[in-house]
Amino acid sequence: DADVTQTPRNRITKTGKRIMLECSQTKGHDRMYWYRQDPGHGLRLIHYSYGVKDTDKGEVSDGYSVSRSKTEDFLLTLESATSSQTSVYFCAIGGPLYNEQFFGPGTRLTVL
Amino acid sequence: KQEVTQIPAALSVPEGENLVLNCSFTDSAIYNLQWFRQDPGKGLTSLLLIQSSQREQTSGRLNASLDKSSGRSTLYIAASQPGDSATYLCAVRQADYKLSFGAGTTVTVRA
Repeated sequence: DADVTQTPRNRITKTGKRIMLECSQTKGHDRMYWYRQDPGHGLRLIHYSYGVKDTDKGEVSDGYSVSRSKTEDFLLTLESATSSQTSVYFCAIGGPLYNEQFFGPGTRLTVL
Repeated sequence: KQEVTQIPAALSVPEGENLVLNCSFTDSAIYNLQWFRQDPGKGLTSLLLIQSSQREQTSGRLNASLDKSSGRSTLYIAASQPGDSATYLCAVRQADYKLSFGAGTTVTVRA
């Protein structure tokens, strides 16, 4: 089984909707990350967490919020989706020693 | 702010040729550098992690070198195969636990 899973894998929604993307891990690592990947921009950090209830903003956090109530789960919420949030979203976990990062399979989100 | 650059953006080689992928970064105060592979429509797979104190790291046909003082890393893939076709990304970690990514080099190995 995969160490990092993301739900859903694909989502099409409309502008203004509240959308939640879920990430779960089986490794018990403290550090978790949400990225978005867009052509021409590479991967950009949205939010990150260093433990339960310990979250902070990354470089492109506007319009997003996160929650971490359990070590295993990291939830990304788009409060009111916009077309500019159409992207592929990746969740990652960071290893305890060197923070080697391992990624989930991604969620393709389309906002119409 | 750390800037990570990967040149070229795309590369096409015949099968059997050695691949040389470049990564440069502007701030040499890094903790480690990680190379990833990404297949179309998939997530990132970690290939190698090289610590700032190391000069190189090897795994099978892959070898990554690091010259921290000059802000460069090179990923070598020996005897390329069509299955090596993918996008390769490098990422550097600094004092915090965040990574700065390059935009990647897309490799095509022609049979």
